This record gives sequence, structure tokens and C-alpha cells, in this order.
Amino acid sequence: TQLLEQSPQFLSIQEGENLTVYCNSSSVFSSLQWYRQEPGEGPVLLVTVVTGGEVKKLKRLTFQFGDARKDSSLHITAAQPGDTGLYLCAGKGRGSGTYKYIFGTGTRLKVLA
Amino acid sequence: DAGVIQSPRHEVTEMGQEVTLRCKPISGHNSLFWYRQTMMRGLELLIYFNNNVPIDDSGMPEDRFSAKMPNASFSTLKIQPSEPRDSAVYFCASSLQGSNTEAFFGQGTRLTVV
Repeated sequence: TQLLEQSPQFLSIQEGENLTVYCNSSSVFSSLQWYRQEPGEGPVLLVTVVTGGEVKKLKRLTFQFGDARKDSSLHITAAQPGDTGLYLCAGKGRGSGTYKYIFGTGTRLKVLA
Repeated sequence: DAGVIQSPRHEVTEMGQEVTLRCKPISGHNSLFWYRQTMMRGLELLIYFNNNVPIDDSGMPEDRFSAKMPNASFSTLKIQPSEPRDSAVYFCASSLQGSNTEAFFGQGTRLTVV
């Protein structure tokens, strides 16, 4: 069973601070996605990373896929209250079952004004 | 497009009753997923359909759970009989089959079994 552990589980920071969220596994993934979920809504895709070592930027968000494709990080620069939400990573396996993404445990972020 | 549509948004039922959750995927999407989300276990995949055919139901908790997809525009998840431990938010998601495609989620159904 492929498991994705995210850390920290909860994070409360002041507006303007930087933060990094981690997504770790002992399994190798063919690709990894990051989603953000707001209360009462379903998760919404932020980014997909495919290549080991790949870095993608989305405004103040920087995503990196580990060289071995077992882990990923999400860095937010100058966090804003609008960044508040549940951040989920989701890894896609290799071989059989490659159609599905296994979701991580989630990081609940709260940015205080 | 209206996105993935789920109904009802909220459901409160008594233990032992049958519950049916409904999902309308995005038109043209050929993959459909049912997920369950709880604080303890996070987001778990229950079942995956491709072209209306169930491909993987290994995540379905037990025989009380069943899912159908009679056509490309409709799917149901049924729990019979329901139990308090089934209380969770159930999400339906759809996507186009292929590598690294995005899954579009509905707003979910919050189920409470008392």
C-alpha cells in the first residue's frame, strides 16, 4: 500500500510569513499533484509534477518533486489569508493501478490577517 | 460547464436506513471516482469507473456499500444498511482518462448517520 504522509498536519501563521509543506512516501510515484480544499468544497488541482527534481511556480507557490520521485514540497511566500485551506498531495502509482491517485493526510493551513 | 454535480449536499439518516448518493460527472469525462473523507482517515478512494465499468472497487469498505454507473452521465453510491461509522463527506470526481489528468471534484455530500 502506498502511503503519503504530509507535515505539518496543522499550521497557523501570520500574514506575510513564508511556509513549507512536505509530502513524503517510501514509494516511487510516476507523478504527483497538489490540491487545495476550502471548507464545504471539493479539492481543486493546483499543479502536477512529473519529472524528478521538477520545480513549478504558481504565483507565490513553489512546488518541487523530489529527485527520486518519492517526495514533494510546497513553499508559499508571503502567505495571505486567501491561502487558508487544506492542502493535499496526491501521488500516482506505477504499474497496475496507475489510473488512481493516492491522497496524502493533508495539511490544514490558517493564515491570520 | 457546471462541473461535477452531487446530491444531496447534506443527508441525515437513522442507523439502518438506506442512503443513496448521486453524482453527475462533467460531460465528456470517461473516468469517475467516489471518495470518502474523514478527519481520521483523510480522503480515501472507494471505487473507480472507466467508461461506465467498475474497474477497481477495492476501497469499498464492505458489502453494505454498492455503486453503479448506468450511463456516462450518472452514478450512485448506496449504503444499505447505514451505520454511524459511515458518517463522512463523500466526494465524486471525474476526469478524462490519461496520464496526469486533473480530477474535478464535486462539492460533496455530508452524510450523518445517527
